[in-house]
Amino acid sequence: EAGVAQSPRYKIIEKRQSVAFWCNPISGHATLYWYQQILGQGPKLLIQFQNNGVVDDSQLPKDRFSAERLKGVDSTLKIQPAKLEDSAVYLCASRTESRAYNEQFFGPGTRLTVL
Amino acid sequence: AQRVTQPEKLLSVFKGAPVELKCNYSYSGSPELFWYVQYSRQRLQLLLRHISRESIKGFTADLNKGETSFHLKKPFAQEEDSAMYYCALRISSGSARQLTFGSGTQLTVLP
Repeated sequence: EAGVAQSPRYKIIEKRQSVAFWCNPISGHATLYWYQQILGQGPKLLIQFQNNGVVDDSQLPKDRFSAERLKGVDSTLKIQPAKLEDSAVYLCASRTESRAYNEQFFGPGTRLTVL
Repeated sequence: AQRVTQPEKLLSVFKGAPVELKCNYSYSGSPELFWYVQYSRQRLQLLLRHISRESIKGFTADLNKGETSFHLKKPFAQEEDSAMYYCALRISSGSARQLTFGSGTQLTVLP
Protein backbone atom coordinates (compact mmCIF):
# COMPACT_ATOMS: atom_id res chain seq x y z
CA GLU A 1 0.00 0.00 0.00
CA ALA A 2 1.14 3.56 -0.60
CA GLY A 3 2.45 5.32 2.45
CA VAL A 4 1.56 8.64 4.02
CA ALA A 5 2.40 11.47 1.64
CA GLN A 6 3.43 14.96 2.69
CA SER A 7 4.32 18.09 0.79
CA PRO A 8 6.34 20.14 0.52
CA ARG A 9 9.37 18.29 1.86
CA TYR A 10 11.22 21.50 2.66
CA LYS A 11 10.13 25.07 3.24
CA ILE A 12 12.07 28.19 4.12
CA ILE A 13 10.19 31.33 5.11
CA GLU A 14 10.81 34.51 7.01
CA LYS A 15 9.24 35.17 10.37
CA ARG A 16 5.74 36.59 10.26
CA GLN A 17 5.05 34.88 6.94
CA SER A 18 2.42 32.16 6.52
CA VAL A 19 2.97 28.56 5.52
CA ALA A 20 0.81 25.51 4.87
CA PHE A 21 1.61 21.83 4.86
CA TRP A 22 -0.36 19.08 3.22
CA CYS A 23 -0.84 15.44 4.19
CA ASN A 24 -2.47 12.55 2.38
CA PRO A 25 -2.89 9.57 4.73
CA ILE A 26 -2.96 5.91 3.82
CA SER A 27 -6.22 5.06 2.08
CA GLY A 28 -8.88 4.01 4.53
CA HIS A 29 -7.12 5.34 7.62
CA ALA A 30 -9.68 7.23 9.65
CA THR A 31 -7.26 8.70 12.19
CA LEU A 32 -4.72 11.34 11.28
CA TYR A 33 -2.14 13.04 13.46
CA TRP A 34 0.10 16.07 13.08
CA TYR A 35 3.32 16.19 15.10
CA GLN A 36 5.98 18.84 15.55
CA GLN A 37 9.55 17.61 15.97
CA ILE A 38 12.06 20.22 17.03
CA LEU A 39 15.72 19.38 16.49
CA GLY A 40 17.00 17.14 19.27
CA GLN A 41 13.55 16.27 20.56
CA GLY A 42 10.99 13.57 19.94
CA PRO A 43 7.80 14.21 18.00
CA LYS A 44 5.17 16.16 19.90
CA LEU A 45 1.51 15.73 19.05
CA LEU A 46 -0.22 18.86 17.79
CA ILE A 47 -3.62 17.58 16.73
CA GLN A 48 -5.52 14.35 16.17
CA PHE A 49 -8.39 13.90 13.73
CA GLN A 50 -10.81 11.04 13.40
CA ASN A 51 -12.42 11.28 9.99
CA ASN A 52 -13.12 15.01 9.65
CA GLY A 53 -13.55 15.68 13.37
CA VAL A 54 -10.96 16.90 15.86
CA VAL A 55 -10.33 14.42 18.67
CA ASP A 56 -7.67 16.42 20.49
CA ASP A 57 -6.06 19.75 19.74
CA SER A 58 -5.03 20.63 23.27
CA GLN A 59 -1.37 21.06 22.31
CA LEU A 60 -1.99 23.10 19.17
CA PRO A 61 -0.98 26.78 19.59
CA LYS A 62 -4.28 28.05 18.29
CA ASP A 63 -3.23 31.68 18.13
CA ARG A 64 -1.10 30.86 15.09
CA PHE A 65 -1.65 27.23 14.12
CA SER A 66 -4.72 25.79 12.44
CA ALA A 67 -5.51 22.46 10.87
CA GLU A 68 -8.37 20.99 8.95
CA ARG A 69 -9.46 17.74 7.39
CA LEU A 70 -12.59 18.77 5.61
CA LYS A 71 -13.51 15.57 3.77
CA GLY A 72 -11.97 13.16 6.22
CA VAL A 73 -9.06 12.33 3.93
CA ASP A 74 -6.37 14.93 3.22
CA SER A 75 -5.34 17.41 5.86
CA THR A 76 -3.62 20.76 5.92
CA LEU A 77 -1.71 22.39 8.76
CA LYS A 78 -1.19 26.14 8.61
CA ILE A 79 0.99 28.52 10.56
CA GLN A 80 0.15 32.21 10.44
CA PRO A 81 2.27 34.12 11.29
CA ALA A 82 5.37 31.98 11.73
CA LYS A 83 7.91 32.55 14.49
CA LEU A 84 11.53 31.51 14.68
CA GLU A 85 10.69 28.82 17.22
CA ASP A 86 8.38 27.13 14.70
CA SER A 87 11.44 25.80 12.87
CA ALA A 88 10.96 22.05 13.04
CA VAL A 89 9.99 18.96 11.10
CA TYR A 90 6.23 18.56 10.84
CA LEU A 91 5.17 14.94 10.68
CA CYS A 92 1.87 13.52 9.61
CA ALA A 93 0.80 10.04 10.65
CA SER A 94 -2.27 7.93 10.05
CA ARG A 95 -3.80 4.90 11.64
CA THR A 96 -6.65 2.55 10.89
CA GLU A 97 -9.32 1.86 13.46
CA SER A 98 -9.90 -1.65 12.20
CA ARG A 99 -7.47 -3.50 14.44
CA ALA A 100 -6.51 -3.40 18.06
CA TYR A 101 -3.01 -2.25 18.93
CA ASN A 102 -2.66 -0.84 15.43
CA GLU A 103 0.34 1.25 14.65
CA GLN A 104 0.74 4.75 13.35
CA PHE A 105 2.34 5.10 9.93
CA PHE A 106 4.41 8.21 9.47
CA GLY A 107 5.02 10.39 6.47
CA PRO A 108 8.46 11.70 5.48
CA GLY A 109 7.85 15.04 7.14
CA THR A 110 8.14 18.66 6.08
CA ARG A 111 11.21 20.49 7.30
CA LEU A 112 10.36 24.11 8.04
CA THR A 113 13.03 26.74 8.54
CA VAL A 114 11.91 30.16 9.76
CA LEU A 115 14.50 32.91 9.26
CA ALA B 1 0.83 13.98 32.94
CA GLN B 2 2.66 11.21 31.14
CA ARG B 3 6.35 11.47 30.40
CA VAL B 4 8.98 9.38 28.60
CA THR B 5 12.64 9.75 29.39
CA GLN B 6 15.54 8.47 27.32
CA PRO B 7 18.63 9.45 29.27
CA GLU B 8 21.19 8.84 26.53
CA LYS B 9 21.17 11.11 23.50
CA LEU B 10 24.09 9.27 21.93
CA LEU B 11 25.22 5.67 22.28
CA SER B 12 28.09 3.99 20.48
CA VAL B 13 28.95 0.30 20.58
CA PHE B 14 31.15 -1.96 18.52
CA LYS B 15 29.72 -4.52 16.13
CA GLY B 16 28.95 -7.75 17.95
CA ALA B 17 28.70 -6.09 21.35
CA PRO B 18 25.48 -6.06 23.37
CA VAL B 19 23.43 -2.90 23.29
CA GLU B 20 20.81 -1.52 25.66
CA LEU B 21 18.84 1.65 25.04
CA LYS B 22 17.18 2.94 28.16
CA CYS B 23 13.64 4.18 28.48
CA ASN B 24 11.76 5.20 31.60
CA TYR B 25 8.21 6.42 31.77
CA SER B 26 5.80 8.03 34.15
CA TYR B 27 2.11 7.43 33.77
CA SER B 28 -0.59 6.80 36.32
CA GLY B 29 -2.62 4.47 34.13
CA SER B 30 -1.89 1.16 32.43
CA PRO B 31 0.92 1.83 29.97
CA GLU B 32 1.34 0.70 26.41
CA LEU B 33 4.95 1.06 25.36
CA PHE B 34 6.53 1.10 21.93
CA TRP B 35 9.91 1.50 20.31
CA TYR B 36 10.09 3.43 17.05
CA VAL B 37 13.18 3.62 14.84
CA GLN B 38 14.30 6.05 12.18
CA TYR B 39 17.08 4.94 9.88
CA SER B 40 19.04 7.54 7.96
CA ARG B 41 16.85 9.22 5.32
CA GLN B 42 13.89 6.98 6.16
CA ARG B 43 10.59 7.50 7.88
CA LEU B 44 9.87 6.91 11.50
CA GLN B 45 8.59 3.36 11.83
CA LEU B 46 7.43 1.00 14.52
CA LEU B 47 10.08 -1.43 15.74
CA LEU B 48 8.22 -3.28 18.45
CA ARG B 49 5.49 -2.99 21.04
CA HIS B 50 5.47 -4.44 24.53
CA ILE B 51 2.10 -6.12 24.14
CA SER B 52 3.40 -8.38 21.40
CA ARG B 53 6.37 -9.69 23.38
CA GLU B 54 8.17 -10.25 20.12
CA SER B 55 11.74 -10.03 18.91
CA ILE B 56 12.22 -7.82 15.87
CA LYS B 57 15.59 -7.70 14.11
CA GLY B 58 17.04 -9.31 17.21
CA PHE B 59 15.75 -6.57 19.51
CA THR B 60 13.61 -7.25 22.56
CA ALA B 61 12.13 -5.01 25.20
CA ASP B 62 10.50 -5.98 28.48
CA LEU B 63 8.09 -3.78 30.32
CA ASN B 64 9.09 -3.49 33.97
CA LYS B 65 6.23 -1.83 35.79
CA GLY B 66 8.08 -1.82 39.11
CA GLU B 67 10.93 0.21 37.66
CA THR B 68 8.68 1.95 35.10
CA SER B 69 11.14 1.02 32.38
CA PHE B 70 11.03 -0.38 28.86
CA HIS B 71 14.65 -0.81 27.85
CA LEU B 72 15.50 -2.01 24.34
CA LYS B 73 18.13 -4.72 24.11
CA LYS B 74 20.04 -6.65 21.52
CA PRO B 75 22.75 -9.19 22.37
CA PHE B 76 24.90 -8.63 19.28
CA ALA B 77 24.70 -5.25 17.57
CA GLN B 78 25.07 -4.95 13.81
CA GLU B 79 26.17 -1.95 11.77
CA GLU B 80 22.73 -1.76 10.17
CA ASP B 81 21.25 -1.12 13.61
CA SER B 82 22.71 2.38 13.53
CA ALA B 83 19.69 4.67 13.72
CA MET B 84 17.67 6.98 15.92
CA TYR B 85 15.50 5.14 18.41
CA TYR B 86 12.46 6.60 20.15
CA CYS B 87 10.57 5.14 23.04
CA ALA B 88 6.88 6.02 23.08
CA LEU B 89 4.01 5.68 25.52
CA ARG B 90 0.47 5.39 24.31
CA ILE B 91 -2.48 6.59 26.30
CA SER B 92 -6.04 5.82 25.40
CA SER B 93 -8.82 8.12 26.51
CA GLY B 94 -12.13 7.77 24.76
CA SER B 95 -11.42 7.87 21.06
CA ALA B 96 -8.01 9.45 21.55
CA ARG B 97 -5.07 7.11 21.22
CA GLN B 98 -1.97 9.22 21.41
CA LEU B 99 1.74 8.66 21.57
CA THR B 100 4.10 10.54 23.84
CA PHE B 101 7.66 10.21 22.60
CA GLY B 102 10.96 10.40 24.39
CA SER B 103 13.71 12.60 23.01
CA GLY B 104 15.44 9.72 21.29
CA THR B 105 18.80 7.94 21.38
CA GLN B 106 21.13 7.98 18.39
CA LEU B 107 22.76 4.56 18.21
CA THR B 108 25.97 4.16 16.28
CA VAL B 109 27.39 0.68 15.77
CA LEU B 110 31.07 0.87 14.96
CA PRO B 111 32.80 -1.68 12.72
